[in-house]
Amino acid sequence: KQEVTQIPAALSVPEGENLVLNCSFTDSAIYNLQWFRQDPGKGLTSLLLIQSSQREQTSGRLNASLDKSSGRSTLYIAASQPGDSATYLCAVGREGAQKLVFGQGTRLTINP
Amino acid sequence: GEEVAQTPKHLVRGEGQKAKLYCAPIKGHSYVFWYQQVLKNEFKFLISFQNENVFDETGMPKERFSAKCLPNSPCSLEIQATKLEDSAVYFCASSQGQGWQPQHFGDGTRLSIL
Repeated sequence: KQEVTQIPAALSVPEGENLVLNCSFTDSAIYNLQWFRQDPGKGLTSLLLIQSSQREQTSGRLNASLDKSSGRSTLYIAASQPGDSATYLCAVGREGAQKLVFGQGTRLTINP
Repeated sequence: GEEVAQTPKHLVRGEGQKAKLYCAPIKGHSYVFWYQQVLKNEFKFLISFQNENVFDETGMPKERFSAKCLPNSPCSLEIQATKLEDSAVYFCASSQGQGWQPQHFGDGTRLSIL
């Protein structure tokens, strides 16, 4: 059974810092990994999707990496801003149309 | 539409009553997924559809939960004889089903059982 873990559970940093969020999964037979952000009372906004054949994906100040063999992914946020404050979740999918298995999320607070 | 639309935003029911939630996927997306979020960040998969056919129902508590996706209608998730433990936020997501395309989520329906 796939298990996804995110560390830390919460993180608070001053504005402008670069930071890394971690995600690990127990079963390396994944098809893709998706990073989301969730704002309070809202749904999930898809940030980045990495296919299992890829090593990283970039979008603006965000960079996600994937090391399938070690069961790890990181989300790097450059030059953090207060608007980045949210809960960040990673989720893995076994096949293209399969359900996602989620981690517990990291609650990120960027202090002005 | 361009977004996954879920209705209602908030639903309150007394224990034992029925609850019905709706989801309109993004136009052109053939896969629909239902997830239940309890205890803040714990997401549990319930069921998925490929068009109107059940694709994966391994997460569904079958005795009280049912779901449908009929042509030209929003998808629905129905809970009969609700229990206090059904209180959660229910999210719907849709995708085109290919591995390089993400699942897109709606804003969820908050179900409160009193």
